[in-house]
Amino acid sequence: EAQVTQNPRYLITVTGKKLTVTCSQNMNHEYMSWYRQDPGLGLRQIYYSMNVEVTDKGDVPEGYKVSRKEKRNFPLILESPSPNQTSLYFCASSPTTIALDTQYFGPGTRLTVL
Amino acid sequence: AQSVAQPEDQVNVAEGNPLTVKCTYSVSGNPYLFWYVQYPNRGLQFLLKYITGDNLVKGSYGFEAEFNKSQTSFHLKKPSALVSDSALYFCAVRDRTNAGKSTFGDGTTLTVKP
Repeated sequence: EAQVTQNPRYLITVTGKKLTVTCSQNMNHEYMSWYRQDPGLGLRQIYYSMNVEVTDKGDVPEGYKVSRKEKRNFPLILESPSPNQTSLYFCASSPTTIALDTQYFGPGTRLTVL
Repeated sequence: AQSVAQPEDQVNVAEGNPLTVKCTYSVSGNPYLFWYVQYPNRGLQFLLKYITGDNLVKGSYGFEAEFNKSQTSFHLKKPSALVSDSALYFCAVRDRTNAGKSTFGDGTTLTVKP
């Protein structure tokens, strides 16, 4: 089944403890992106990747890192999480890097930082 | 910079009545516009998109959207609402000249009452 998977789906952690949220797609998509969803703020783009080893900042990149070493994987790294990073995170991918492409979203990761 | 506004946090309609969820956008070039839907505890799903051409776009589940360049709007519509349409709806814009960036609105919660 064609899909975007995220792990873990739920995570409770403490301030300062490094964590990684994985994202993987099995559709050979070129483009991948991370978003966070907060009540009243909609989805805000954190980072995106147009290809392997090509990443760029979205609107809210502070406190996050990403890497794209393989086409299928796009992990989101929080080196020192803080409570203001408590949020619902979504990974998305699209077949190409042209703007008209539809994005396919993962199921989300709910992160709580205490 | 590009932006999306969804002026209504909540839209309530009775089943069988027409519905409209509003979206306005701002982008420097020619936009690609999207509507996505999010059901509880799920990721976002694509509904429809405007690329070019006909200003009335038809999408999934009987939804359609009207692109109005002069008013910079892309309102989502459905002639006859169903209870199962109740969900969170997001409008999004991408700029052809900056394909990696994707901007979403804050979302509108649609509630359809029997």
